[in-house]
Amino acid sequence: AQSVAQPEDQVNVAEGNPLTVKCTYSVSGNPYLFWYVQYPNRGLQFLLKYITGDNLVKGSYGFEAEFNKSQTSFHLKKPSALVSDSALYFCAVRDYGDKLIFGTGTRLQVFP
Amino acid sequence: GAVVSQHPSRVICKSGTSVKIECRSLDFQATTMFWYRQFPKKSLMLMATSNEGSKATYEQGVEKDKFLINHASLTLSTLTVTSAHPEDSSFYICSARVSAYEQYFGPGTRLTVT
Repeated sequence: AQSVAQPEDQVNVAEGNPLTVKCTYSVSGNPYLFWYVQYPNRGLQFLLKYITGDNLVKGSYGFEAEFNKSQTSFHLKKPSALVSDSALYFCAVRDYGDKLIFGTGTRLQVFP
Repeated sequence: GAVVSQHPSRVICKSGTSVKIECRSLDFQATTMFWYRQFPKKSLMLMATSNEGSKATYEQGVEKDKFLINHASLTLSTLTVTSAHPEDSSFYICSARVSAYEQYFGPGTRLTVT
């Protein structure tokens, strides 16, 4: 079965510093990976996806993610964090039937 | 981008009553929609896949008689929580499949059962 793991419940970073939110995956076949962000009491907003091609994927709001096949990772990154980036971030993998299997989420807190 | 709405955004109901949540794709047609449940500070749990014109496919452990899903048109899926109990209180989120690699999510519905 497809799965993703987010090993950190929370990541704290100072505004202006680079941020990384970790995600590792376990799949049979080719991985189709996604990152979503959720603000309080809101639905999920799509950030970026990896289907095929370049390992470095650029997405919304200055975020990017690097697909690493040897480490089975798909970490989310941003060169310079903003306080407004503070939210809950989910990594997901596509399962059969186009279902999404989500990780447990990582709360990002950016301090001024 | 594609927009998915949910109604209501918040609902409070009494134990034993039923409540219906609507999920609409506003500017596109969706033959497939998904219903998720999210507990506080927890991940999203897929409850079921809703297919237009056919029965929903429920995930293991989800009671289909308690969580009734109807996908009667290409732009509307409904989730009815029947005989609600306090433990059904949760944040329910739907998504609409745009393609094999794209889903758009609704804003969610906060259900509180008293």
